[in-house]
Amino acid sequence: ETGVTQSPTHLIKTRGQQVTLRCSSQSGHNTVSWYQQALGQGPQFIFQYYREEENGRGNFPPRFSGLQFPNYSSELNVNALELDDSALYLCASSPFITNTEAFFGQGTRLTVV
Amino acid sequence: KQEVTQIPAALSVPEGENLVLNCSFTDSAIYNLQWFRQDPGKGLTSLLLIQSSQREQTSGRLNASLDKSSGRSTLYIAASQPGDSATYLCAVKGGLWGGGNKLTFGTGTQLKVEL
Repeated sequence: ETGVTQSPTHLIKTRGQQVTLRCSSQSGHNTVSWYQQALGQGPQFIFQYYREEENGRGNFPPRFSGLQFPNYSSELNVNALELDDSALYLCASSPFITNTEAFFGQGTRLTVV
Repeated sequence: KQEVTQIPAALSVPEGENLVLNCSFTDSAIYNLQWFRQDPGKGLTSLLLIQSSQREQTSGRLNASLDKSSGRSTLYIAASQPGDSATYLCAVKGGLWGGGNKLTFGTGTQLKVEL
């Protein structure tokens, strides 16, 4: 059974650029959630995907968007990058049943300069 | 809106001590509560999951309790070791007001266990 994997692990982008982060969910999990963690803070919920559809969204602007594919992997896209988007982006997968455990990947460290 | 608070923000203890980390949440209508460990710059490792109907869970030297009615959870670490040094995060899933299926996190307790 493979865990949650994210790519890339680190990247540096320039303000105004666009970025795509990727996540492969754990085997058997059909729900993927994305979180943003600023330095010294707890993770903040961005959105969740279930069976290729968005199933909840946190307080993030529309320039944060996502996709989920038929194999349940997912992408997070951020347009018009701002300096404040610099953070650790975490992906979590779980079965859709509400009372199950969430498993996180190792994260992607995004630096916007 | 669900809010999660963790106390203390930082803790430094000598090796071998037993310690307690605290977590409180404002909306008691949760599905479950999960404790995570995070090493610097890394992802989250799940330690324990407590369902809303449970009072506690144990894994090795870790024991987590949940008092849903009062909105509190504690993580007890027995016989602490330097390898336990990390940030410990508490997260709740659900809540009446927009909790849904997302996790709401506290800001964590940064633990340092010294030799």
